[in-house]
Amino acid sequence: DAGVIQSPRHEVTEMGQEVTLRCKPISGHNSLFWYRQTMMRGLELLIYFNNNVPIDDSGMPEDRFSAKMPNASFSTLKIQPSEPRDSAVYFCASVVAGGTDTQYFGPGTRLTVL
Amino acid sequence: DAKTTQPPSMDCAEGRAANLPCNHSTISGNEYVYWYRQIHSQGPQYIIHGLKNNETNEMASLIITEDRKSSTLILPHATLRDTAVYYCIVRVPGGTGANNLFFGTGTRLTVIP
Repeated sequence: DAGVIQSPRHEVTEMGQEVTLRCKPISGHNSLFWYRQTMMRGLELLIYFNNNVPIDDSGMPEDRFSAKMPNASFSTLKIQPSEPRDSAVYFCASVVAGGTDTQYFGPGTRLTVL
Repeated sequence: DAKTTQPPSMDCAEGRAANLPCNHSTISGNEYVYWYRQIHSQGPQYIIHGLKNNETNEMASLIITEDRKSSTLILPHATLRDTAVYYCIVRVPGGTGANNLFFGTGTRLTVIP
C-alpha cells in the first residue's frame, strides 16, 4: 500500500495567489482529515470528511479556505487568496471505518506564501 | 481544548527505556488513549492505543492507571531513531468534533547516544 499521498510536497507562492493542495487517501478508508501545523499553534484540525461528506469544518480559519472530496480517492484543500500567515505544513490523514480509528498521515505539503 | 497534559521535553539514553507520561484527569468512560509520534519533517505516526487495560505492540507498551487519569508510554529500548515529538490524545473512536482530535503540543523526546 502506498499510504496517504499528498501533492505537491512543497509549494512556494506569492500573496494573493490561489493554492490547491491535494490528497489521495488509502484505498478503502472512508474518513479523511486535513490538518495544519505551525510552530506557534501546533497541529490543528481544519476539516474532516466521512464518506466524502464534510462533517466538521469548524477548524477552517476563514472563508479563504475551502475543501472538497469529490470521490473516495481524492480531496483538495484550496486557499484563495493566500496570505503569508497561511504558511505552514498541511497534512492529510485517512481512517478506515470500524477499525481502531487509527489515523494514517501523509507526508505533508510545506506551503510558503511570500 | 487540551484534554491531556504532557511534559514539553524529555531526554533518554540510547538503549534505555523511555517512559513518557500523560495526564488525562477528565477522561470520559468511552474515551480511549492514543499515542502518536512525529519525527522531524514527517507526518504523525500511530504508535498504540488503549481503553483501560495495558497494551503492548511491536513499538511500545501503554500503561494506563486503574483510575484512567494518567498513562505512560514505554519505549523499552530507545534508539536514536525514536527522537521525535510524542502526542497523547484522548478520544472516542469514530467520534465527531474537532475537540475529539486535539493533538496538543506533545513531549519532545531526545534520545542521547
